[in-house]
Amino acid sequence: RKEVEQDPGPFNVPEGATVAFNCTYSNSASQSFFWYRQDCRKEPKLLMSVYSSGNEDGRFTAQLNRASQYISLLIRDSKLSDSATYLCVVKVNTGGFKTIFGAGTRLFVKA
Amino acid sequence: DGGITQSPKYLFRKEGQNVTLSCEQNLNHDAMYWYRQDPGQGLRLIYYSQIVNDFQKGDIAEGYSVSREKKESFPLTVTSAQKNPTAFYLCASSWAGKGNTEAFFGQGTRLTVV
Repeated sequence: RKEVEQDPGPFNVPEGATVAFNCTYSNSASQSFFWYRQDCRKEPKLLMSVYSSGNEDGRFTAQLNRASQYISLLIRDSKLSDSATYLCVVKVNTGGFKTIFGAGTRLFVKA
Repeated sequence: DGGITQSPKYLFRKEGQNVTLSCEQNLNHDAMYWYRQDPGQGLRLIYYSQIVNDFQKGDIAEGYSVSREKKESFPLTVTSAQKNPTAFYLCASSWAGKGNTEAFFGQGTRLTVV
């Protein structure tokens, strides 16, 4: 079983739609959680951290459920420019902190 | 400016040749990682290192080798044993001693076997 799992998609949605991605993690020593965005042929970049109480940044909302060991990302009012791959990232306390990247979920927003 | 630098951006290699990809960071990060990405696919971990002079295999280490002689540097060698090396290679770094900090990526190296 992979340490961080995501549905690879692709998710095809129209502009203005709301779309949600889930990510599950297997290690209960996971301490920090992030969502990254990767544009085509570019490196991944931090989109937002995920806090225990949930957090929002504009149209993006991140949630953490420690009991069920999953995190989610909700995108409201999708824009064409939201088309990208979204990666779930977990930092696990293994003595030192190891960063583990999910394989990503592809999103296509269409006019 | 602090950051993580990969070089070269594009690399062409003849079959049967070894090639080394460079990754340097000046962020004072302990941990460094190498990922491979194929077209339309997700990241796959090749090797990672949490501390100087130590590294661990990731999910697809066969045909690759690394070294971590300095904190700032984590070069990846793609050997002739790697049967399908054409891919996009990404290096990342993060603080191993801090749990709530993000990882940073270099801009990647596109390797093509000709």
